Amino acid sequence: DQQVKQNSPSLSVQEGRISILNCDYTNSMFDYFLWYKKYPAEGPTFLISISSIKDKNEDGRFTVFLNKSAKHLSLHIVPSQPGDSAVYFCAASARSWGKFQFGAGTQVVVTP
Amino acid sequence: SQTIHQWPATLVQPVGSPLSLECTVEGTSNPNLYWYRQAAGRGLQLLFYSVGIGQISSEVPQNLSASRPQDRQFILSSKKLLLSDSGFYLCAWRDLSDEKLFFGSGTQLSVL
Repeated sequence: DQQVKQNSPSLSVQEGRISILNCDYTNSMFDYFLWYKKYPAEGPTFLISISSIKDKNEDGRFTVFLNKSAKHLSLHIVPSQPGDSAVYFCAASARSWGKFQFGAGTQVVVTP
Repeated sequence: SQTIHQWPATLVQPVGSPLSLECTVEGTSNPNLYWYRQAAGRGLQLLFYSVGIGQISSEVPQNLSASRPQDRQFILSSKKLLLSDSGFYLCAWRDLSDEKLFFGSGTQLSVL
């Protein structure tokens, strides 16, 4: 049972434009959400997170939006750069659990 | 600062052979430890997690097992590998004061 879903397996965006990655979850117990970036043959690295008490968190070019009623979050990357080409994973956790569920990932390709 | 070490980076094993992947964390005590697997073209699947020495929770019934003989050591094992065990294995840790997961560099396992 996939509790965290990233329905877009890939995304192609032009350099300088905005990248928007989407993530949906089903478990209302989730109260903390994270985005990770992964290059081939490397471990994922943390990008940005958001607690369920907020609806937006911003860090430089990265902004995460959370819509709890829709059980949906998104990651905006502005402006997109060639180095942003990677797989992006959405993750969710419930603080009482200590476990993190990941989505299937979205491959982002930033073209010149 | 905290670091996580995972080895080996790549491993090619025949079907039916045993497996032992090791992960150690430095610079922290009593971390939560995790094993994830990324199968080809798939997301990150949680295999095992541990909240303390000798305490292992299995998320998915399978051909693998995990052990935590020391506070900062987490081992993934198999007595007899299957073809379906191929994938990219990731160890991760979480400081209890932080909601983020930190990943190791991963092990690419190919079972032939």
